[in-house]
Amino acid sequence: SQQGEEDPQALSIQEGENATMNCSYKTSINNLQWYRQNSGRGLVHLILIRSNEREKHSGRLRVTLDTSKKSSSLLITASRAADTASYFCATRPDQAGTALIFGKGTTLSVSS
Amino acid sequence: NAGVTQTPKFRVLKTGQSMTLLCAQDMNHEYMYWYRQDPGMGLRLIHYSVGEGTTAKGEVPDGYNVSRLKKQNFLLGLESAAPSQTSVYFCASSFGGGGANVLTFGAGSRLTVL
Repeated sequence: SQQGEEDPQALSIQEGENATMNCSYKTSINNLQWYRQNSGRGLVHLILIRSNEREKHSGRLRVTLDTSKKSSSLLITASRAADTASYFCATRPDQAGTALIFGKGTTLSVSS
Repeated sequence: NAGVTQTPKFRVLKTGQSMTLLCAQDMNHEYMYWYRQDPGMGLRLIHYSVGEGTTAKGEVPDGYNVSRLKKQNFLLGLESAAPSQTSVYFCASSFGGGGANVLTFGAGSRLTVL
């Protein structure tokens, strides 16, 4: 079963706009990660946020984490066509083995 | 620095045939993973390994076997391929386990079972 669920499933925006994707998870976690997947390629790590952090920035990326609501959001500011990709959140539930469990992803399309 | 390399990149099998996917990493990572990705399903964990000589089942292990005879290699075998195993397979590795460890992924292997 999926631990994380991204929302929306698909998002289409214009270049320059901001894109926000959300991730909800089911059980308590220590960390949450976001990955990007360009079409036909493997996943690439974007950012990790720990359970004691509320917000984290990396370039044009801003990630928030609300452990009380079991949710995270990924904001991409000033989107570019090159940001077109699928975005996945990943968690390792406490007491549930070693491997990361991924959500189904949000497909972002940025048009110029 | 190659990172994680998967071979082959594409393969077409007939139902009942067997094959092995090879994953090699050159980062001296202890942990290695096999995921499959299907449309609308995201990534699902098949098997993983926490070190040379060890393997463990993931979410969808049926119909697959794995081996980790060398630290740098993680093999995924299909004993008798079925159309339901048509998918894109991704190998990944990480230095350690747990949620704080970042995974490095290969480019994927697209398998079609007719």
